[in-house]
This record gives sequence, C-alpha cells and structure tokens, in this order.
Amino acid sequence: AQTVTQSQPEMSVQEAETVTLSCTYDTSESDYYLFWYKQPPSRQMILVIRQEAYKQQNATENRFSVNFQKAAKSFSLKISDSQLGDAAMYFCAYRSALTQGGSEKLVFGKGTKLTVNP
Amino acid sequence: DSGVTQTPKHLITATGQRVTLRCSPRSGDLSVYWYQQSLDQGLQFLIQYYNGEERAKGNILERFSAQQFPDLHSELNLSSLELGDSALYFCASSRTGGGSPLHFGNGTRLTVT
Repeated sequence: AQTVTQSQPEMSVQEAETVTLSCTYDTSESDYYLFWYKQPPSRQMILVIRQEAYKQQNATENRFSVNFQKAAKSFSLKISDSQLGDAAMYFCAYRSALTQGGSEKLVFGKGTKLTVNP
Repeated sequence: DSGVTQTPKHLITATGQRVTLRCSPRSGDLSVYWYQQSLDQGLQFLIQYYNGEERAKGNILERFSAQQFPDLHSELNLSSLELGDSALYFCASSRTGGGSPLHFGNGTRLTVT
C-alpha cells in the first residue's frame, strides 16, 4: 500500500518570504500522480497543484511550485512571496494511475500547518 | 466553489443514533469518494463509488454504509453512533482517468454527544 509522509507538523514563514514544505511517499508503482491540497481555517479542501510522475518538469501554479524527485520519492511544495492568505494546513496526496478496476482514491499525508507572520 | 454539494453542513446527534450524509458530485463526475477527518487528523479514505458501483473500500466501519444512486448522488449512512465518530466528513468527486484531481465538498461536521 502506498504511504505519504509529511515530516513537518508545523512551519512558519514571514510574509513575502519563501517556504518549502516537505513530502515523501512510498510506492512500488511507476506511474502515479501527486497533489498538494490546502485546507484553510474554513476547512475547505482546495487543490493547489498537481504533478504527473511521468513528467520530469516540475509543476508550477503562480507562486506555488514543486520539486519532484522521482528516484528519491520526494515531492516538496515551494510557496514564494508568502501571503497571509496562505496560512493553512497543507496536505500532500498520492493517487495511483491504475484505472482498470483499481481505485483512484487519494492517499493523504497527515499535513503541515503553515503560519504566515506579518 | 468546487461544484460538489454536501448536506447538511452541521449535524448534532446523540450516541446510538443513525444519520445520513448526502453528496451531489460535480456535473459529469462519475466517481464519488467519502473521507473522514477527525480533529487534527489527516483525511482517512472511507469508500469510493463509480457510476453506482462500489469501487474501493478503505477504513470504513461496519456501522457505516454508503451508496451511489442512478442520478450519481451519494449517501453515507452512519449508525449506532459513538462519540469517536465525531468528525468532518468530506465527499469528493472526480472524472475518470488521467489523474484527474478530486474536488471536495465543504464537508459535514458531525458532532455526537
């Protein structure tokens, strides 16, 4: 079974600075997808970014980018120019690419709580 | 707005009771997933339905059951409720294949007293 580990329960960053959240995962599959979700105090689950394992290029969405290291099974999230609205729990998630009779469920890490200091 | 609708938003009930949580997926999404998030915990996968059929089961208790109807909406039934069942229950939906992301509803906050 796949597992996702987020080793930093909490992180803090100064407004306008850059912060990197770590995520590692364990899988025997070669094809899969990785995601970062954000959960603000409102408790909504908001998709931040998505990475396809067969693509070497790191995904980027505005101020959010990832560092995907497939061999190391590492998938970190970098937030640039941090804003107060970035304060939230951030969850790393894994999804198998298997579709024939398999499940496309997301396997989540336990999350990292990000505080942004003004 | 994710397009996934969950009702009710809040539910307070007593131990031993039974409740039903409802979810309407995004238009066009055939897969529905249920997740449980206890206080300060990550999201635990409960069950997935695809086009009316059960596709995968996670850590779902025998007291819990779910189904997906022909119109693709889904219901999660929780019975013989215990204090430990208090949690935020999320429904999510997705398209099939291509690593489509899951889109989450706003959750149902269940409090068992």
